[in-house]
Amino acid sequence: EAGVTQFPSHSVIEKGQTVTLRCDPISGHDNLYWYRRVMGKEIKFLLHFVKESKQDESGMPNNRFLAERTGGTYSTLKVQPAELEDSGVYFCASNGGQGLTYEQYFGPGTRLTVT
Amino acid sequence: LAKTTQPISMDSYEGQEVNITCSHNNIATNDYITWYQQFPSQGPRFIIQGYKTKVTNEVASLFIPADRKSSTLSLPRVSLSDTAVYYCLDYPSNTGKLIFGQGTTLQVKP
Repeated sequence: EAGVTQFPSHSVIEKGQTVTLRCDPISGHDNLYWYRRVMGKEIKFLLHFVKESKQDESGMPNNRFLAERTGGTYSTLKVQPAELEDSGVYFCASNGGQGLTYEQYFGPGTRLTVT
Repeated sequence: LAKTTQPISMDSYEGQEVNITCSHNNIATNDYITWYQQFPSQGPRFIIQGYKTKVTNEVASLFIPADRKSSTLSLPRVSLSDTAVYYCLDYPSNTGKLIFGQGTTLQVKP
């Protein structure tokens, strides 16, 4: 079974540009999460989808970040316009929709560098 | 803010048993105690989870006392490949939000 995949693995953009990160969860997983780690900080929760609906977006830093999950499958996280402080590693995770959902399966992350 | 407290780093040698203790001073009744492992350039990976007493799987054991204010992750006979960051978390069973702290960087030496 394929794990959570993220694309691209690394992105370097200039301040003010737009970047879109993609996450493909494990097939059949209703829950999809975004996290990020900025330099020297802890991994922080951004938001949680249940299928195509945003269950919790309390961690989204500001309105420059837009997350979508069309059809409840893959998800995208768009940063527009990017700022220097957005640099970091963005992780996506997923898990199933039934029973205890404590085990989240993480992707390898997308390293975003804003120059 | 992280709800748990754990040592920033630990060193060990191959073949030794490693115990990492975590404080869960703010754990809620419906929280589960969960541990994740993270290797460089990878996402965190679930290791083990428990509510109270002892849980064991093929990777580790987790000891949780009756008051649930602490937990100890036990890794038997570590190898160099166990060098990683280990996170303890209070996982609320009714939400999906994981709150990570700084974790414990375990360095296994030959």
